[in-house]
Amino acid sequence: DTEVTQTPKHLVMGMTNKKSLKCEQHMGHRAMYWYKQKAKKPPELMFVYSYEKLSINESVPSRFSPECPNSSLLNLHLHALQPEDSALYLCASSQYDNYNSPLHFGNGTRLTVT
Amino acid sequence: DAKTTQPTSMDCAEGRAANLPCNHSTISGNEYVYWYRQIHSQGPQYIIHGLKNNETNEMASLIITEDRKSSTLILPHATLRDTAVYYCIVRAPRTGNKLTFGGGTRVLVKP
Repeated sequence: DTEVTQTPKHLVMGMTNKKSLKCEQHMGHRAMYWYKQKAKKPPELMFVYSYEKLSINESVPSRFSPECPNSSLLNLHLHALQPEDSALYLCASSQYDNYNSPLHFGNGTRLTVT
Repeated sequence: DAKTTQPTSMDCAEGRAANLPCNHSTISGNEYVYWYRQIHSQGPQYIIHGLKNNETNEMASLIITEDRKSSTLILPHATLRDTAVYYCIVRAPRTGNKLTFGGGTRVLVKP
């Protein structure tokens, strides 16, 4: 079990659908992250939120839209995805937004785009 | 960030200490060494991190050489549940919050 909860665990969506991934933490962490992981590859950073503001966008296509409604919640809105976007999407949080603060990950949402 | 080099894979015997090496020869003085592991179908799990001194917690020990160009993660008594991909990551202040994963070492603990 992790203290970062991601829902749903699995999601299948068509290319014309709109869906959202949800991430929640109640550890009082002030930084939250989205990563994408393709099969047999390491996780790749997508977005970083620090104190509820977007601080890093790793040139992610606009069909991925992050949102941080409050310090405990992080959403990833998905629209018009492609089959190659199928992957494990991981959320993480850290207590502070500095490099001495470990990230704690959820177990991810496995997304399949058909 | 400084690049890291790890063996692609290694086997360990159950009950024995597992020593996982990592080379980070271009590390700067203010960059931290982090270790994570990822068990199949789970998210990455934080293990330990350090700057200069050796560190120990309930999961593992981190030994950093004096010149900081390499480090070793030690799992004192490997169990079958320690089978995972282990990532050694150097994290730099100039990149802010980024934690960038490399290829990692696929560790198989055998009975």
